[in-house]
Amino acid sequence: GEDVEQSLFLSVREGDSSVINCTYTDSSSTYLYWYKQEPGAGLQLLTYIFSNMDMKQDQRLTVLLNKKDKHLSLRIADTQTGDSAIYFCAAITGGGNKLTFGTGTQLKVEL
Amino acid sequence: DTAVSQTPKYLVTQMGNDKSIKCEQNLGHDTMYWYKQDSKKFLKIMFSYNNKELIINETVPNRFSPKSPDKAHLNLHINSLELGDSAVYFCASSQEGRPQHFGDGTRLSIL
Repeated sequence: GEDVEQSLFLSVREGDSSVINCTYTDSSSTYLYWYKQEPGAGLQLLTYIFSNMDMKQDQRLTVLLNKKDKHLSLRIADTQTGDSAIYFCAAITGGGNKLTFGTGTQLKVEL
Repeated sequence: DTAVSQTPKYLVTQMGNDKSIKCEQNLGHDTMYWYKQDSKKFLKIMFSYNNKELIINETVPNRFSPKSPDKAHLNLHINSLELGDSAVYFCASSQEGRPQHFGDGTRLSIL
């Protein structure tokens, strides 16, 4: 089955860029997602990319997909304290609806 | 508001009790899901229903029984609650090929 891995923690200074990395194992993954979870809250869909794309930009967010290496990254430009949260990478495989989540990366933004 | 809504938000109960969590979506989606998030924030799918039909049933104890009275509702009943059931349970919904939208979660604590 699919296995999705992320580093557990990332600390950045306010105004810097953050890059959160994710690797997955199933090359048939069709869609890859980034979700944000603030403390005590639910999961907010940030952005997603289809497997035939290698980049997607949405305001401060840039998603890069290296399908050969099965590597996905989320870059947050001009990181703000409000960006402090857990970020989850997730992948859907084949034609199904089963979403496999990564372990989550805790982003801490320092002043 | 259009959303995925779960009730209750918090559920504190004793070991051995039976409890239910309700989920409703008014997004017109065909597929609904239950996920469990453990104390380490790891998210794993439990069940998925498409138009009231069970399509994903992960390795979950028989004490957990989902019920979908119609495609807008997916409830989760848990019998004989155990300490290890303490977690946050998320409901989600999606349309085929589109991202999953999550509710705010139900925080279940077993005493």
